[in-house]
Amino acid sequence: SQKIEQNSEALNIQEGKTATLTCNYTNYSPAYLQWYRQDPGRGPVFLLLIRENEKEKRKERLKVTFDTTLKQSLFHITASQPADSATYLCALDKAAGNKLTFGGGTRVLVKP
Amino acid sequence: GAVVSQHPSWVICKSGTSVKIECRSLDFQATTMFWYRQFPKQSLMLMATSNEGSKATYEQGVEKDKFLINHASLTLSTLTVTSAHPEDSSFYICSANFQETQYFGPGTRLLVL
Repeated sequence: SQKIEQNSEALNIQEGKTATLTCNYTNYSPAYLQWYRQDPGRGPVFLLLIRENEKEKRKERLKVTFDTTLKQSLFHITASQPADSATYLCALDKAAGNKLTFGGGTRVLVKP
Repeated sequence: GAVVSQHPSWVICKSGTSVKIECRSLDFQATTMFWYRQFPKQSLMLMATSNEGSKATYEQGVEKDKFLINHASLTLSTLTVTSAHPEDSSFYICSANFQETQYFGPGTRLLVL
């Protein structure tokens, strides 16, 4: 069966450091991989989309890599700030506009 | 752009009653919207795909007669939880596609007493 795994343990990190989150998947061939941020009691907010033929994508302090051989995506938050504290979700879909399958999310806590 | 709203943001109802949740795309048209449910400390689980002008597609294990979906226009989808029970208490979130990406509403917290 299809599985999307994110580290369920919270990631505690010091302000200014780089946070790195992992998303691994099995039995899946996604065309797109997306990362979302979710704050408590709120809906997810879209951050980045990366296609299967792209290795890396950047947006401001965020960087995403996509390795279809390893079936893994890494999500980096550089120069982290306390405001970056949230749960980060990865999601896969097979086609643009298709239904998403979400990982369990990783909670990040940036300490000042 | 790409703003999705939901109404209400929270609702408390008695067991056995029905509750309707609205999902609107504010600045774009969406032929497809999605409904998710999220229990505490868990990830989003897709319930159904709402298609404008046609029947919704439900995920395995989701009762279509209990969770009625109507996508009557290109900017509005509604989810009605019929005969709600305490186990239906959850956080319901909708999303709509815009340019290859799904944009999510702020969610509706449902508490069934």
